[in-house]
Amino acid sequence: AQSVTQLDSQVPVFEEAPVELRCNYSSSVSVYLFWYVQYPNQGLQLLLKYLSGSTLVKGINGFEAEFNKSQTSFHLRKPSVHISDTAEYFCAVSQRSNDYKLSFGAGTTVTVRA
Amino acid sequence: GAVVSQHPSWVICKSGTSVKIECRSLDFQATTMFWYRQFPKQSLMLMATSNEGSKATYEQGVEKDKFLINHASLTLSTLTVTSAHPEDSSFYICSAIRTSGTTDNEQFFGPGTRLTVL
Repeated sequence: AQSVTQLDSQVPVFEEAPVELRCNYSSSVSVYLFWYVQYPNQGLQLLLKYLSGSTLVKGINGFEAEFNKSQTSFHLRKPSVHISDTAEYFCAVSQRSNDYKLSFGAGTTVTVRA
Repeated sequence: GAVVSQHPSWVICKSGTSVKIECRSLDFQATTMFWYRQFPKQSLMLMATSNEGSKATYEQGVEKDKFLINHASLTLSTLTVTSAHPEDSSFYICSAIRTSGTTDNEQFFGPGTRLTVL
């Protein structure tokens, strides 16, 4: 089984400032890692994913994340946020097996202020 | 590509009635779909895995007789909340995985259905 811990429940940030959302995972086997964004009353949209290869993953809307196997982390970063980045962000992990199940972290609420 | 829709987007029903929620993959075939529920300010909790042509697999603690899942085709899965009660009020989200052409486990999510039971 795998689990995900998002270390920050809420992150307030000023517009054009950088933001980092922290995610740690635990698993006894190799995993795929994902970051999703959820806007109010909507489903989830994939920001980026790590499958293999380069540990620095670039996603949509200027987000990137770095996979660190030794620290079992997959932190999400954006160098300059916009008001429109205000949303809920979820880190998720899936085992490299055929069950495709995702385990989600508790989520981080990002609030961008002008 | 990879669009998933849900219908209805919101529904209000009386306690004791049943409600059906549809999840459709619009531009791809999905052998496997998932159903999640999300309470306010909380994460997504997996309820069940829906497999086309076979019985759904429910997560521990989810009542299969209360949450009926049918995956009758490669593009449609339905979740029926039977004899709904106020505690079933929640945001229900489905996701789907492409039948072919993928090895990365990516799930495509629907926009969600807000269920309110009075």
